[in-house]
Amino acid sequence: NAGVTQTPKFQVLKTGQSMTLQCAQDMNHEYMSWYRQDPGMGLRLIHYSVGAGITDQGEVPNGYNVSRSTTEDFPLRLLSAAPSQTSVYFCASRDLGGPVYEQYFGPGTRLTVT
Amino acid sequence: SQQGEEDPQALSIQEGENATMNCSYKTSINNLQWYRQNSGRGLVHLILIRSNEREKHSGRLRVTLDTSKKSSSLLITASRAADTASYFCATEGSGAGGTSYGKLTFGQGTILTVHP
Repeated sequence: NAGVTQTPKFQVLKTGQSMTLQCAQDMNHEYMSWYRQDPGMGLRLIHYSVGAGITDQGEVPNGYNVSRSTTEDFPLRLLSAAPSQTSVYFCASRDLGGPVYEQYFGPGTRLTVT
Repeated sequence: SQQGEEDPQALSIQEGENATMNCSYKTSINNLQWYRQNSGRGLVHLILIRSNEREKHSGRLRVTLDTSKKSSSLLITASRAADTASYFCATEGSGAGGTSYGKLTFGQGTILTVHP
């Protein structure tokens, strides 16, 4: 299994541009989520999904959109990039049906908005 | 707002010494988890302790939970240079109707440096 994969690894955007960060998992996990990590702030939840067709907002959802058309994929869209969205973005997944609670994280996407 | 506060923010020790990190949180939880992050990498799950447990061990890791004080500690015994990383606590809440189900709230992390 590849686990959780994210693309791209690095991205530089200009203010106002849009882009999509890709996330995929091959573990058939119902739960997927997006976090951003800023220096000194830990990780903060942006959006999450408990299954295909179901998404909800986390702690810092403004400026981001998500959709979940399949179990495997959970893309994060930046509608109009702003310098405040410069961060490292992590996707994670988890099996909701069993007793295992740990979340599996992707390697991250480092985004810089100029 | 951040659920967890961790201390110390940074910890520097020699190989073979023990490392203790502390985490405090604000609301009721279902479980508390510890993750490790090596520089520039994703997070890796280390250990989970449920709200009805007080202590748990896994290899060189020992985690305690005091729900009355809303605090947890992670002890790494006989540390190695390879343990150098950032360590995060994360809580999964016990919100009504399962609204916190699966959602993790992270602390700010402790940067551990183990010198050979």
